[in-house]
Amino acid sequence: AQSVSQHNHHVILSEAASLELGCNYSYGGTVNLFWYVQYPGQHLQLLLKYFSGDPLVKGIKGFEAEFIKSKFSFNLRKPSVQWSDTAEYFCAVNLDSSNTGKLIFGQGTTLQVKP
Amino acid sequence: NAGVTQTPKFQVLKTGQSMTLQCAQDMNHEYMSWYRQDPGMGLRLIHYSVGAGITDQGEVPNGYNVSRSTTEDFPLRLLSAAPSQTSVYFCASSYRAVLHEQYFGPGTRLTVT
Repeated sequence: AQSVSQHNHHVILSEAASLELGCNYSYGGTVNLFWYVQYPGQHLQLLLKYFSGDPLVKGIKGFEAEFIKSKFSFNLRKPSVQWSDTAEYFCAVNLDSSNTGKLIFGQGTTLQVKP
Repeated sequence: NAGVTQTPKFQVLKTGQSMTLQCAQDMNHEYMSWYRQDPGMGLRLIHYSVGAGITDQGEVPNGYNVSRSTTEDFPLRLLSAAPSQTSVYFCASSYRAVLHEQYFGPGTRLTVT
């Protein structure tokens, strides 16, 4: 069965540190890739998405992600985190062939940024 | 636009009770879905709908029913609540099933005792 793995479950960083959250998926076909963020007490919001084209995608709030097809990865990065980035981050994959819109989510990574 | 709305925000049920979680969107989106979020497991798809009158099962459909009589509404019914259904439930919608961002509602926190 297709799956999405986020290797870091809980990350603690100081402000201004760089961030990289790993995301790997298991599916050999065409995929659409997403990163969602859930701030404390809020609902999920889209950070960025990749459908096709340039594998380096930029999202909101200074986040970016790189799709590496050969590694089945879609890692999220930010050069300098802020306290306000404290949240839970979810990687999600949609299998392009399904035409059903189903999103397969990773387990989530909790990011805590210390001021 | 209100976006995706869900009611109630919180609910406590006793084992065996039934209830309906409401979800509505005012963006004329074709696609709607229900997820449950459990600690350490991310979000898992319960049911989805690609348009009015069309629904299908997701990854964890057992114990839940859905219907889609209108484009706007996509209620989720718990037939006989069980403690294993204690979770946070999110409704989401998007313009089309594929290649479009899904917008999530604020969630319903359900506790079954």
